[in-house]
Amino acid sequence: AQSVTQLGSHVSVSEGALVLLRCNYSSSVPPYLFWYVQYPNQGLQLLLKYTSAATLVKGINGFEAEFKKSETSFHLTKPSAHMSDAAEYFCAVRPFSGGYNKLIFGAGTRLAVHP
Amino acid sequence: DVKVTQSSRYLVKRTGEKVFLECVQDMDHENMFWYRQDPGLGLRLIYFSYDVKMKEKGDIPEGYSVSREKKERFSLILESASTNQTSMYLCASSPLLLQGKNTEAFFGQGTRLTVV
Repeated sequence: AQSVTQLGSHVSVSEGALVLLRCNYSSSVPPYLFWYVQYPNQGLQLLLKYTSAATLVKGINGFEAEFKKSETSFHLTKPSAHMSDAAEYFCAVRPFSGGYNKLIFGAGTRLAVHP
Repeated sequence: DVKVTQSSRYLVKRTGEKVFLECVQDMDHENMFWYRQDPGLGLRLIYFSYDVKMKEKGDIPEGYSVSREKKERFSLILESASTNQTSMYLCASSPLLLQGKNTEAFFGQGTRLTVV
């Protein structure tokens, strides 16, 4: 079965520092991949998705993610953290086959940004 | 913009009550989902539906049922609420998967349910 591992349940960075949130998936066939963000007491908002058109995917709010098939990874980065980036981030995969668009989520990483 | 609306943001119910969580989407999506979110566990799929009156169990269906009588509405039912069902519940919808097209799911704001 497909699974998603997010390394680090909590990540803390200083404002202006690089943000790196890690995501690894388990699949012999690269699935479709997503990053979602959740602000306090809100639903999930799509940050970006891997479409197979390019391995480096740009999303909203200055975030990007790189798909690396050899490492089965899809890590999320942002060059310079902003206080407003404090939120919980979820990596998700959708199996390549099957019509239901069922998303499988990682456990989430809570990002804290300090002044 | 796609809109997924959950009927309540916060609910407090008593143990043993029958609880209904309602979700409506306005984009004519075929697929609808109910997830449960708990700290450290991410989102876990309870049930999903790919058409009216069609449903499939997710990973944690025990203690829950669902209803989809109309395409735009997907209800989650807790037959007899228990304290271990205290959680955040998230509804989502998505279009039908098309070959080669990566479609994401759109989420509602969530319902935080407390069972006392």
